[in-house]
Amino acid sequence: GAGVSQSPSNKVTEKGKDVELRCDPISGHTALYWYRQSLGQGLEFLIYFQGNSAPDKSGLPSDRFSAERTGGSVSTLTIQRTQQEDSAVYLCASSLYQSWQVADTQYFGPGTRLTVL
Amino acid sequence: KNQVEQSPQSLIILEGKNCTLQCNYTVSPFSNLRWYKQDTGRGPVSLTIMTFSENTKSNGRYTATLDADTKQSSLHITASQLSDSASYICVVSANDMRFGAGTRLTVKP
Repeated sequence: GAGVSQSPSNKVTEKGKDVELRCDPISGHTALYWYRQSLGQGLEFLIYFQGNSAPDKSGLPSDRFSAERTGGSVSTLTIQRTQQEDSAVYLCASSLYQSWQVADTQYFGPGTRLTVL
Repeated sequence: KNQVEQSPQSLIILEGKNCTLQCNYTVSPFSNLRWYKQDTGRGPVSLTIMTFSENTKSNGRYTATLDADTKQSSLHITASQLSDSASYICVVSANDMRFGAGTRLTVKP
């Protein structure tokens, strides 16, 4: 497809389990972002990949969270030993360039709704 | 205190009416300011992006303004439609991205 895709769309897991969330960015986009949006809350930045540079992990809330981006394309966000407070919608976005300092549009995926029981 | 404050938190208007949403920020230095529209259950969609030198930008019925001196931005929606019901998010970029909590707009028939 032409847009950013994410899978699964919904994930229900038990507390303590590990989960993997996948993001397929728009082809050719060098920048990829992960965000978290808790119910009724604003977006929270998690991690940012720019080309082949080391990712900016400054937004990851704990060491249970990690992400990788293979081959500069698909990204996986992993949450280990999930907690109930991890329940949220996890959004992925991509942009053609590094977009913080450049007025470049970020395109968001539909998100993965994670529920930790 | 959030460095990007949006007001009002929520707003209800009648179809066909205009409305203005506010975004005040303290982020510095400043690179650009974005407005996003987020429908319920969907990812945000970019409406406008403005840099320091721009003070107004339109996208159809949406017009964003920016006053970099007072660090204020507004999003004006003209002739609202039912499909404008959504959350509108202001994002200010400097050395990172700072998100406002959003304004929840409901357009009623």
